[in-house]
Amino acid sequence: DAGITQSPRHKVTETGTPVTLRCHQTENHRYMYWYRQDPGHGLRLIHYSYGVKDTDKGEVSDGYSVSRSKTEDFLLTLESATSSQTSVYFCAISAQGQISGANVLTFGAGSRLTVL
Amino acid sequence: QQQVKQSPQSLIVQKGGISIINCAYENTAFDYFPWYQQFPGKGPALLIAIRPDVSEKKEGRFTISFNKSAKQFSLHIMDSQPGDSATYFCAARSSNYQLIWGAGTKLIIKP
Repeated sequence: DAGITQSPRHKVTETGTPVTLRCHQTENHRYMYWYRQDPGHGLRLIHYSYGVKDTDKGEVSDGYSVSRSKTEDFLLTLESATSSQTSVYFCAISAQGQISGANVLTFGAGSRLTVL
Repeated sequence: QQQVKQSPQSLIVQKGGISIINCAYENTAFDYFPWYQQFPGKGPALLIAIRPDVSEKKEGRFTISFNKSAKQFSLHIMDSQPGDSATYFCAARSSNYQLIWGAGTKLIIKP
């Protein structure tokens, strides 16, 4: 998947526990994104980053935090997981912020998280 | 205003037939409309995209038709093949350059 690695690919955890998902890219792209995918909702943006230590909220950021200490790594943390955060999480990258035909949004393979 | 409504939710088409997926939007500020294809266990991948100053774009068996006045756009897959079985998402680029996504259509092509 175009130099994007997500880990773990599958995780089952219990309500109230912290969870961190990792996205690693080898494309040296400036922009990185975390989406969640749920049936009937398509993809919804959680947080995105436009550079090292530069992040911003998306439309469903409550309950999530992110960090980017290196260009290649973007971490998504659920401080205290809830059952409503059961979802498939996708990391995506782009060279520029303005998504277009020349600046494609490229996705990782996803991380399936189940919160019991 | 920020929504993109996609239909149908699921679609079954015979091999060789035409698959049609529709999307509608309200925000006239949207200025780029991509379609993504997603296979099970994979992330979405860009399939084809169109800008609102063009009414149709064709790439191989895949065509986007765009109706600016109706604020609708659709994906047509001609001569549908079993390998086209996937989930398809339409999206629209908002004024802050982020994509707003439709809910997805699960397409099954029957051999």
